[in-house]
Amino acid sequence: QKEVEQDPGPLSVPEGAIVSLNCTYSNSAFQYFMWYRQYSRKGPELLMYTYSSGNKEDGRFTAQVDKSSKYISLFIRDSQPSDSATYLCAMRHDSWGKFQFGAGTQVVVTP
Amino acid sequence: DAGVIQSPRHEVTEMGQEVTLRCKPISGHNSLFWYRQTMMRGLELLIYFNNNVPIDDSGMPEDRFSAKMPNASFSTLKIQPSEPRDSAVYFCASSLASGRFRELFFGEGSRLTVL
Repeated sequence: QKEVEQDPGPLSVPEGAIVSLNCTYSNSAFQYFMWYRQYSRKGPELLMYTYSSGNKEDGRFTAQVDKSSKYISLFIRDSQPSDSATYLCAMRHDSWGKFQFGAGTQVVVTP
Repeated sequence: DAGVIQSPRHEVTEMGQEVTLRCKPISGHNSLFWYRQTMMRGLELLIYFNNNVPIDDSGMPEDRFSAKMPNASFSTLKIQPSEPRDSAVYFCASSLASGRFRELFFGEGSRLTVL
């Protein structure tokens, strides 16, 4: 079993809809939780990060971490075609540890 | 402000040939990572360096793979001899290892095809 599980999709939504993405993990030692966005033929770029449990909001993006369930989520409100990309979750134990990435979920927002 | 620079962007080679991928991290960053991305396995960490010293190479598939970081502004990943199963996108990433959070900055990747 992988340490981080993420549905690869693709997830297709109409423009303006809410996109809901999630990852589950098995290692309770993870403390840092991140979401990266990767456009086609580009490198991943950091979208958001959260330390420990809780919610974090940044514009149209909301990240949630539920450590008791070992479950993290990313919500994109008012989705735009420019949000079409692959979204990867990542996590690590501490500020110096290795990043463990999920497989990535491909999101397609149709006009 | 220049990001992580990788070269070549695309490489097509034949099985058995040597492949060298290059990376220039962001100036001032002291950690460098090499990742490999495939559809089947996702993003895998191959090796990472702190202050030019290899810290963890447990992700390097086998002895055919080697990585060096001779100075703070340059790293190479070498595959010799290459095999078709090495076909993937190889990413270099760098970060500044200080403070509580360490963001990874990725290059645009080197797409390798081994025929």
